[in-house]
Amino acid sequence: SYVLTQPPSVSVAPGQTARISCGGNKIATTSVHWYQQKTGQAPVLVVYDDRDRPPGIPERFSGSNSGSAATLTISRVEAGDEADYYCQVWATSGDLCVFGTGTKVIVL
Amino acid sequence: QVQLVQSGPEVRKPGASVKVSCQTSGFTFTTFGFNWVRQAPGQGLQWMAWISANTGSTNSTQKFQGRIILTTDPSTRTAYMELRNLRSDDTAVYYCARSRGDRLDPWGQGTLVTVSS
Repeated sequence: SYVLTQPPSVSVAPGQTARISCGGNKIATTSVHWYQQKTGQAPVLVVYDDRDRPPGIPERFSGSNSGSAATLTISRVEAGDEADYYCQVWATSGDLCVFGTGTKVIVL
Repeated sequence: QVQLVQSGPEVRKPGASVKVSCQTSGFTFTTFGFNWVRQAPGQGLQWMAWISANTGSTNSTQKFQGRIILTTDPSTRTAYMELRNLRSDDTAVYYCARSRGDRLDPWGQGTLVTVSS
């Protein structure tokens, strides 16, 4: 089945930029969605269709998808951005829905 | 507003079954599909299955085929997930999430299912 690989953790100082990669076979040919999960809470959609933001999500969250990986970028990182982040695609074979391995963003 | 509210925590013995509900509001229930995703303690998200509230069509990952039953009740706008023959490694938080296109939004608050003898 389809596998999405993310780095286990990313550390970033407040005010700096965090970039989280999501690698998968021919990932640039599919739409990638990103979820934020804070400790003890349900996941929340923060970017969909590679680069679009749902209402209420700050512009600091942006996405891209090209080459061999999709990327979630968090600009001007705040303490409240500390969370686990998961990428997700809807596959055309095998499991319908695949999540990435997850990345913990640590704000220093 | 759009909401998915799940049933409360459950404790079951190995070999038993559990049925988790996901009551919805704020949108037309039968025009969407619903996913079930679980998260074992300290682990990542694992997609389990999907059901169309319009047709009743389902799809599940092979790992749960034969053990999972998905249903919906349009009269109460509720989706259900039943997992049978529980094992200790089924201990997890189970989430329902609405399908919107091929993304999941929003999610229920989660239901902790503990399997222990």
